[in-house]
Amino acid sequence: GAGVSQSPSNKVTEKGKDVELRCDPISGHTALYWYRQRLGQGLEFLIYFQGNSAPDKSGLPSDRFSAERTGESVSTLTIQRTQQEDSAVYLCASSLVGLAGWADTQYFGPGTRLTVL
Amino acid sequence: QQQVKQSPQSLIVQKGGISIINCAYENTAFDYFPWYQQFPGKGPALLIAIRPDVSEKKEGRFTISFNKSAKQFSLHIMDSQPGDSATYFCAGYKRDDKIIFGKGTRLHILP
Repeated sequence: GAGVSQSPSNKVTEKGKDVELRCDPISGHTALYWYRQRLGQGLEFLIYFQGNSAPDKSGLPSDRFSAERTGESVSTLTIQRTQQEDSAVYLCASSLVGLAGWADTQYFGPGTRLTVL
Repeated sequence: QQQVKQSPQSLIVQKGGISIINCAYENTAFDYFPWYQQFPGKGPALLIAIRPDVSEKKEGRFTISFNKSAKQFSLHIMDSQPGDSATYFCAGYKRDDKIIFGKGTRLHILP
C-alpha cells in the first residue's frame, strides 16, 4: 500500500523567504510527527499531532516554525523568514495510534531536503 | 533526564563480522526500545524492537541485548553484509509521553 509521502522532495530557497513542506500520512494513521535531520546528524523532534491537535510542540526551534494538520490527513510544516541554519532534511512520520499505544511503529516518509541560500 | 546516548558515532566492520551498536538511557520509565535503520536518501524504518521485561530479542541476523539494571541495550548484527551499511538509530519510547532517538551510528560494511 501507499506509504508516507512528502513534497517537495527538494526545496531551494533564499534566506528570508517562507517555505511550506507537505506530508501525506498513511491512510488511517491518527498520529503524525515532524523531525529535522541536519547533515550527518540524528533525528531532532519538532512536533507531534494526535488527530488534528498537537499535544507536543516542544521541539519547534523558534516561532518561525509552525505546523498544522487537517483532521487525520495531510500536514503542513511552515518555516517563515528562512535562515541558513534551517537547511536540513525534514522528515515526516505517521503511526496508527501514536503515543497512546504500547509499541507504536512510526512509518517515515522520504523527507524534504531544504536548502536555504 | 530523557536522553538516549548512542555509540559509536560511526563504525566500520569487515563483511562477515559482527557489528555492535550500544545505547544507554536515563529514563527508567521507558517501556519500549525500537531500533530504526536508515539508508541514504530514505526515511528511517523500524528494524527490531524490545520491551524492558525481555533480555534478548533475535530476528534473523539482528539481535537486541537488553540490560535493565545497567540501563543499556545494544544491537548486534551477525554476519554483517555490505547491504547492512546504513545509519542506525536506537530510541526510548514512553507511552503517553514521547519517543527519544539516539543521535545515530553510521555503519559501513567493507566488502
